[in-house]
Amino acid sequence: AQKVTQAQTEISVVEKEDVTLDCVYETRDTTYYLFWYKQPPSGELVFLIRRNSFDEQNEISGRYSWNFQKSTSSFNFTITASQVVDSAVYFCALSGSPNAGNNRKLIWGLGTSLAVNP
Amino acid sequence: NAGVTQTPKFQVLKTGQSMTLQCAQDMNHEYMSWYRQDPGMGLRLIHYSVGAGITDQGEVPNGYNVSRSTTEDFPLRLLSAAPSQTSVYFCASSYLDLGQPNYGYTFGSGTRLTVV
Repeated sequence: AQKVTQAQTEISVVEKEDVTLDCVYETRDTTYYLFWYKQPPSGELVFLIRRNSFDEQNEISGRYSWNFQKSTSSFNFTITASQVVDSAVYFCALSGSPNAGNNRKLIWGLGTSLAVNP
Repeated sequence: NAGVTQTPKFQVLKTGQSMTLQCAQDMNHEYMSWYRQDPGMGLRLIHYSVGAGITDQGEVPNGYNVSRSTTEDFPLRLLSAAPSQTSVYFCASSYLDLGQPNYGYTFGSGTRLTVV
């Protein structure tokens, strides 16, 4: 069975601190996709990144970076020099190969609520 | 580009009433889906479609119907609303081929539904 675990329910940091959000996944698929989404207080879901199972390169986008390690089944997300606008709930999600209908189902973690205080 | 448009944003229903949540996308995405988001349960897939005329059930389909007569539209129908259907509903779409680098699912802004 597929599963995504975000062990940190809530994190509170002071602005400019670095913060890492953990994501651990379980799957038997050899091809799969991992995602991070941001849900700000306004409620929409904003796509941040997708990683394919065969691409373990780390990714950096501005203050955001992602560390994908298949050996530990983890896909962690780091925000460097956090800002108040980063306050949101962050979700990690997993899906199987897109070729088989229901395998496209996104399996979601329960999210980590990040509060960045001024 | 409007992306994925969901209407209404808020709705209150009485138990037993029916209604349709609308979802439209203008990105020519083949794949469309409906999720519900509940506290402590995360997001769960209700129904999905891989193209016009093709729909299938997700994880929690009971009490909901969908149809896909066009590529753009994927309405979700609540047949007889129950308090257990109180939730936030999201529509999401994507190309069938996720091969484009760093491409993901686009979500609508959500519909907050309360059934009393």
